[in-house]
Amino acid sequence: GENVEQHPSTLSVQEGDSAVIKCTYSDSASNYFPWYKQELGKRPQLIIDIRSNVGEKKDQRIAVTLNKTAKHFSLHITETQPEDSAVYFCAAGLANEKLTFGTGTRLTIIP
Amino acid sequence: DVKVTQSSRYLVKRTGEKVFLECVQDMDHENMFWYRQDPGLGLRLIYFSYDVKMKEKGDIPEGYSVSREKKERFSLILESASTNQTSMYLCASSSSFGDRKNIQYFGAGTRLSVL
Repeated sequence: GENVEQHPSTLSVQEGDSAVIKCTYSDSASNYFPWYKQELGKRPQLIIDIRSNVGEKKDQRIAVTLNKTAKHFSLHITETQPEDSAVYFCAAGLANEKLTFGTGTRLTIIP
Repeated sequence: DVKVTQSSRYLVKRTGEKVFLECVQDMDHENMFWYRQDPGLGLRLIYFSYDVKMKEKGDIPEGYSVSREKKERFSLILESASTNQTSMYLCASSSSFGDRKNIQYFGAGTRLSVL
């Protein structure tokens, strides 16, 4: 089955700096890679996703890059703000099938 | 907006009790999922379902069963609760079609304590 590793487990950055979270996956058949954000006490919510036919996707201050050859994908957050503080989860899987989630990264933005 | 509703936010049960966790979604989604969330372990899939009366084992199905008698409802059952099942349980649903396919929408979670 799929195995997803996520690093780092905790990350602290100064407000305004960039944050990068990296994930690797094991199943080369996986073709769908979402990122979820979970604020304290709240449910996970999708912030961005990428499918294997593209290498990069951007949405305002967040971007995801995918390297299918190396089987890794990354989340980039630029110009970080206090409201970016949360736990972020990556996931990988086949479209219309189950997802395997990473273990999460706790991001803290230091004012 | 997609709404995924879990019947309880907090639940306290005794060891050996049979426990039912209920999840209802209002978007006619085909797919429904049950996860447990533990610190440092992320979200681990227990069971999922692609359609009514269908179920598939996830990564950690031992000690759990599920029921999906209606499309909108997916129940997680702990046949005989044990202390190692103390956890946060999250339900999710997704569609197999359209431009929002595969996006999983989560419920607010049920924090279960087994004493």
